[in-house]
Amino acid sequence: AQTVTQSQPEMSVQEAETVTLSCTYDTSESDYYLFWYKQPPSRQMILVIRQEAYKQQNATENRFSVNFQKAAKSFSLKISDSQLGDAAMYFCAYRSVRVPGGTSYGKLTFGQGTILTVHP
Amino acid sequence: SAVISQKPSRDICQRGTSLTIQCQVDSQVTMMFWYRQQPGQSLTLIATANQGSEATYESGFVIDKFPISRPNLTFSTLTVSNMSPEDSSIYLCSVAGQVSGGAFFGQGTRLTVV
Repeated sequence: AQTVTQSQPEMSVQEAETVTLSCTYDTSESDYYLFWYKQPPSRQMILVIRQEAYKQQNATENRFSVNFQKAAKSFSLKISDSQLGDAAMYFCAYRSVRVPGGTSYGKLTFGQGTILTVHP
Repeated sequence: SAVISQKPSRDICQRGTSLTIQCQVDSQVTMMFWYRQQPGQSLTLIATANQGSEATYESGFVIDKFPISRPNLTFSTLTVSNMSPEDSSIYLCSVAGQVSGGAFFGQGTRLTVV
């Protein structure tokens, strides 16, 4: 079974600064997907960024980028130019590569979450 | 992408009663997922609901406590039965995105059992 670990229960950053959230995972699979989700107080889960394990290039989405280290099984999220609206709980998640219709297709395994506070 | 409507958004229930949560998707999907998020915790998968077959439950979750219906490709319900205060959580439904995509989530149901 896969496990996802976020070792930082809480992080804080000043507005306009950069912060990095850590995530490690354990799997015996060679191909998979990794995600970062944001959950603001509204409870809505919002996909921030995704990474396919077979791609060496780190994913980037505007101010959000990842540092994917496959050998180390590490998947950190960097938020640049932090904004007040970035304040939320952030979850790292793992998804196996399985064919549609197969067992657990689409199932996500989540880390414990990191609460990010942004100070003005 | 998929738009998921979940209701109720919140409820306060008496212990010993049951609550049914509804999840409606704006497109046909093969599998729907139900997650539980206990206060301050991460999301844990309760079960996978596949249209036309019995739901598949994760370890620690049983059908008698969390019966699921999946009558068609756009709708599912999760019932929390014989509730106790320990069932106070956020319950979220989800559908899988594209093959390499993440999942889409409903807005969640915040359940408080008193």
